[in-house]
Amino acid sequence: AQKITQTQPGMFVQEKEAVTLDCTYDTSDQSYGLFWYKQPSSGEMIFLIYQGSYDEQNATEGRYSLNFQKARKSANLVISASQLGDSAMYFCAMRESYYGQNFVFGPGTRLSVLP
Amino acid sequence: EPEVTQTPSHQVTQMGQEVILRCVPISNHLYFYWYRQILGQKVEFLVSFYNNEISEKSEIFDDQFSVERPDGSNFTLKIRSTKLEDSAMYFCASRQAGADYEQYFGPGTRLTVT
Repeated sequence: AQKITQTQPGMFVQEKEAVTLDCTYDTSDQSYGLFWYKQPSSGEMIFLIYQGSYDEQNATEGRYSLNFQKARKSANLVISASQLGDSAMYFCAMRESYYGQNFVFGPGTRLSVLP
Repeated sequence: EPEVTQTPSHQVTQMGQEVILRCVPISNHLYFYWYRQILGQKVEFLVSFYNNEISEKSEIFDDQFSVERPDGSNFTLKIRSTKLEDSAMYFCASRQAGADYEQYFGPGTRLTVT
């Protein structure tokens, strides 16, 4: 079974608009962490934002925010005011259990920002 | 800002040869990881390493793979006898102790097996 599902293989957004990238996860653990990474065409993996399962508030980092709905097991990434440089692959990842070492990645969403 | 480094950036090898991919994690990090990403596919966990031993490994990490921290700074992934299907980008990552810390990824080594 897929631990991390990203249902949008590709997304388009107009520059300066907001966009939501979907992520749902599957775990039976009570304590886990959710992460979003950006992978530009150059290939490196860039950490964007983190949400702990016990965090009551949605995480925010600049233009990035995470819409965390624990009951639905979803952790959607919201990018506000999209920029051309936001065009990249975006991966949702989960670290299961408090002391778990294994990070599981979703299949990714390719975001293209249009001028 | 400290960063994870990896060498080489691109390695071409013949099937059946041994390769060693090298990584220098961030100096105060305690957990180290290797991932691979086959072209156009998702990032797959291979192995995690803590306190000089493997803490978790995936099904991909079979007997052909090994990891080592030969000194205080390097973290290596060895593939004993490469196969065509080992062609991928290999990422090293590290993180601090504590559950809530993200992993910092290196720039990756592209391995091409011919």
